[in-house]
Amino acid sequence: ELKVEQNPLFLSMQEGKNYTIYCNYSTTSDRLYWYRQDPGKSLESLFVLLSNGAVKQEGRLMASLDTKARLSTLHITAAVHDLSATYFCAVDMYADGLTFGKGTHLIIQP
Amino acid sequence: DADVTQTPRNRITKTGKRIMLECSQTKGHDRMYWYRQDPGLGLRLIYYSFDVKDINKGEISDGYSVSRQAQAKFSLSLESAIPNQTALYFCATHAVDTNEQFFGPGTRLTVL
Repeated sequence: ELKVEQNPLFLSMQEGKNYTIYCNYSTTSDRLYWYRQDPGKSLESLFVLLSNGAVKQEGRLMASLDTKARLSTLHITAAVHDLSATYFCAVDMYADGLTFGKGTHLIIQP
Repeated sequence: DADVTQTPRNRITKTGKRIMLECSQTKGHDRMYWYRQDPGLGLRLIYYSFDVKDINKGEISDGYSVSRQAQAKFSLSLESAIPNQTALYFCATHAVDTNEQFFGPGTRLTVL
């Protein structure tokens, strides 16, 4: 059974600081997704990582994938308030549906 | 217009009632999915369909059924709703070429 663990589950940080969210998964896969969810809203796709060593960046967010370690990271650089949201990682093995982590609730304070 | 739509967006029903949640997509994707989201648990897969004739159970299919009426339509039914089915339900499609999954706006279901 595929398990996906995120940590931390809750994170409060100050604007301007850097931080990393970690996503570990239990079974070999080379498809890893990061989503953002605002309260009461749907999921917004941030990154799709499809190979070992993949790195993608969009604005202040950068995601990476290490399939050998079964680990993905989402790094936040110089956080701003607008990045406050819940972030999910999810793993896909055979396109038979995503297995999600429990999400990281991120609060960025001025 | 949104590529993946869900109706209704909000629904309150009573225990024992039958209810159907509908999903439509204009993306032309064969693969469609239903997930439910509960606070603190992330999203969990209920059912998925690779095409009109291929429907499969997900992690938490008990108490649910689905119908794939056409490539563009995938409906989720609760035959006899119970309070622990109160959740936020999402439909999604999968793009084979980019491996992206696209989520609908969600349906908030409350079972009293």
